[in-house]
Amino acid sequence: QQQVKQSPQSLIVQKGGISIINCAYENTAFDYFPWYQQFPGKGPALLIAIRPDVSEKKEGRFTISFNKSAKQFSLHIMDSQPGDSATYFCAASIGGGADGLTFGKGTHLIIQP
Amino acid sequence: NAGVTQTPKFRILKIGQSMTLQCTQDMNHNYMYWYRQDPGMGLKLIYYSVGAGITDKGEVPNGYNVSRSTTEDFPLRLELAAPSQTSVYFCASSYLGTSISYEQYFGPGTRLTVT
Repeated sequence: QQQVKQSPQSLIVQKGGISIINCAYENTAFDYFPWYQQFPGKGPALLIAIRPDVSEKKEGRFTISFNKSAKQFSLHIMDSQPGDSATYFCAASIGGGADGLTFGKGTHLIIQP
Repeated sequence: NAGVTQTPKFRILKIGQSMTLQCTQDMNHNYMYWYRQDPGMGLKLIYYSVGAGITDKGEVPNGYNVSRSTTEDFPLRLELAAPSQTSVYFCASSYLGTSISYEQYFGPGTRLTVT
């Protein structure tokens, strides 16, 4: 049972464009929704996270939009740069991840110069 | 701070062999986790620990064992390695308590091949 569904699987965006990655979850007990960025050969690193009491969180060029009623959340990367090329994972958890994170399958993002 | 360190970086095992993947964190985190990452499948939780002496199963624990005798170390043991355990293994840690940050810090991973 896949509790967090992520799309698209891969994404190509031109430099300066907006990259959008979507996730949907099933478990309404989830209360923490992070996005992780992973470069080849490295471990994932936290990019930005949101809790369900807000509908949007912005950090620099990265924004999470959260729709609690639809059980969906998305990552927007504004002014995408070649250095943003990486794999992005959405995740969800209960209690801040105390018993681990449930990850989506990932999105391989390529920013073309 | 070194953060989360994992050894070895790479390992090739024959079917039926055993090995221990090492994980150490120097951030005084109370929670530690083991995930495996398979191509196109995201990360799946194997085991986690809420503190020294306390461990619990995650989504995919079969074929693995863990122990946590200290706050810093959280080794993952593979007994009777099988080809299905070919994967990249990540250790992570976090501090859950009075802090408002739930961030999990990941190590660089161990790439394991079982043939």
